[in-house]
Amino acid sequence: GDSVTQMEGPVTLSEEAFLTINCTYTATGYPSLFWYVQYPGEGLQLLLKATKADDKGSNKGFEATYRKETTSFHLEKGSVQVSDSAVYFCALSRNAGGTSYGKLTFGQGTILTVHP
Amino acid sequence: DGGITQSPKYLFRKEGQNVTLSCEQNLNHDAMYWYRQDPGQGLRLIYYSQIVNDFQKGDIAEGYSVSREKKESFPLTVTSAQKNPTAFYLCATGLGGGSNQPQHFGDGTRLSIL
Repeated sequence: GDSVTQMEGPVTLSEEAFLTINCTYTATGYPSLFWYVQYPGEGLQLLLKATKADDKGSNKGFEATYRKETTSFHLEKGSVQVSDSAVYFCALSRNAGGTSYGKLTFGQGTILTVHP
Repeated sequence: DGGITQSPKYLFRKEGQNVTLSCEQNLNHDAMYWYRQDPGQGLRLIYYSQIVNDFQKGDIAEGYSVSREKKESFPLTVTSAQKNPTAFYLCATGLGGGSNQPQHFGDGTRLSIL
């Protein structure tokens, strides 16, 4: 079945450091890939997405490139801020059994803490 | 404001009691979903619905029930058969028309056992 594996956290960085959170996936066909962010006590917000190989999703300084050859979708940011402290989830979606209900399969989440 | 409203924010259940979590949306999305979030395990799909009066089991449906009588509403009942209900429950909506459509999430309900 489909699966998503994220790098284990928690990740602790100083402000302005470079961020990478690794994400690899297992799925047949051509899934769409997403990064969601969850701030304390809140639901998930879509951060970025990519729907086909070599697509680059970007938003708020975050980027991720859909690499089919390595089945990866690593999240990067060049200079993190304290306000980026949150839990980050990698997820995939594909049609399953001919139905297009867009089921999301999530990684386990990575906690990011950024210190001033 | 368009969005997804989950209520209550916190809920406590006694042994043997059924409780219902509310999810209302005004995004005019056809598809609605319920997820359970446990620490270190990501989100797992409980139930989903693509249209009114239709819903399907997700990966962990045992001990839960849902209804979809209106497009705007998708309540989740946690029954007494769910032996470990303590978790954060998230409702989501989506266009449902294909795998490249993102889902939109409410702010969640945290359920605890008394």
